[in-house]
Amino acid sequence: AQSVAQPEDQVNVAEGNPLTVKCTYSVSGNPYLFWYVQYPNRGLQFLLKYITGDNLVKGSYGFEAEFNKSQTSFHLKKPSALVSDSALYFCAVRVSNTGTASKLTFGTGTRLQVTL
Amino acid sequence: KAGVTQTPRYLIKTRGQQVTLSCSPISGHRSVSWYQQTPGQGLQFLFEYFSETQRNKGNFPGRFSGRQFSNSRSEMNVSTLELGDSALYLCASSLSFQGGWYEQYFGPGTRLTVT
Repeated sequence: AQSVAQPEDQVNVAEGNPLTVKCTYSVSGNPYLFWYVQYPNRGLQFLLKYITGDNLVKGSYGFEAEFNKSQTSFHLKKPSALVSDSALYFCAVRVSNTGTASKLTFGTGTRLQVTL
Repeated sequence: KAGVTQTPRYLIKTRGQQVTLSCSPISGHRSVSWYQQTPGQGLQFLFEYFSETQRNKGNFPGRFSGRQFSNSRSEMNVSTLELGDSALYLCASSLSFQGGWYEQYFGPGTRLTVT
């Protein structure tokens, strides 16, 4: 069975400081990893994904994520946080075996609070 | 390009009734997935359709069902509603489910309240 863990319910950071939102995963096979963001009363928005290749993935709004196979992690990062980044962030994983994809499994979400 | 649309946006139903939610994917997207989001359980996968066939299914009772039409539009139905079915139901579309690397694009959701 595949699973995703987001160990922090909430991350607090001051505007202008770097931010990290943690994600670890467990799968059988090669993972496809995704980050999504959800603003209040909205659906989820895709930020970035890792499929293969370069371990550092760049996405929307200045976000990036680093894939670490040995630590089975895919942490989301941003060099300088903005108040407007405050939202709920979800990590998700999927695997593909013989061309048939498994379901997309989400973590429990991490609330990011950026303050002035 | 228009995003994923879901109708209705809000719905209030009584316990025991049934409900049908609709989802129109992004043009050209052939895969549609449904999720239930609640404060207690988070995001739970319901099912995924591709080319009118259910490809993946989550761990929900048979009261939850869905279908996909030839134009890729999808509906999900919940029969015999229970109070615990109150949730935000999210639909997401992607180009395909094969391979697994396609990102999903989410609609705004349907907020279902069961009284």
